[in-house]
Amino acid sequence: GAVVSQHPSWVICKSGTSVKIECRSLDFQATTMFWYRQFPKQSLMLMATSNEGSKATYEQGVEKDKFLINHASLTLSTLTVTSAHPEDSSFYICSARFGVSYNEQFFGPGTRLTVL
Amino acid sequence: AQRVTQPEKLLSVFKGAPVELKCNYSYSGSPELFWYVQYSRQRLQLLLRHISRESIKGFTADLNKGETSFHLKKPFAQEEDSAMYYCALGGLDSSYKLIFGSGTRLLVRP
Repeated sequence: GAVVSQHPSWVICKSGTSVKIECRSLDFQATTMFWYRQFPKQSLMLMATSNEGSKATYEQGVEKDKFLINHASLTLSTLTVTSAHPEDSSFYICSARFGVSYNEQFFGPGTRLTVL
Repeated sequence: AQRVTQPEKLLSVFKGAPVELKCNYSYSGSPELFWYVQYSRQRLQLLLRHISRESIKGFTADLNKGETSFHLKKPFAQEEDSAMYYCALGGLDSSYKLIFGSGTRLLVRP
């Protein structure tokens, strides 16, 4: 149980286009979803925290208008990278949690974004 | 500032040897500490959390608030333990977010 999926697993796009990444909790309702970014051989950097039906909370230094997050339901959150540029190329990982007190996060497999 | 430090990028040991992956944190509040593991070509998954005080796959970790450490230990390493290990800090300001360390790659040689 507690499976999180991401789609697509990889995407290549041209500079200036927008890319949407989906994160779904398959067998549970996620009260909170998180979006991370991981550079090669580096750790996960939290970008934003997303609660269903409310605006996402972005970490310091993350551009809200650049990385649009929508959490429309308890099983789906989307990250849209707007007007992507080569420096946005990275591995994007989402995670989800459920429940009130249990703090475990369940991670998706990640999405590799390459901007040409 | 909230921070997690894993000083070793790579730890290489022989099968059967003891393993200790170091983790230190910086947080003035009441921390929750976790170890996550990422095996080759797999997603990140929870290994253990300090609240549970459990042993998973032979690994244990004790929260030492005095030394602000949460080192991961295993007395006898196995080849299948080879993976990337991340220490994470949670319980931050009543949020559920996690701050990750830079990770340590454990390589267990036969």
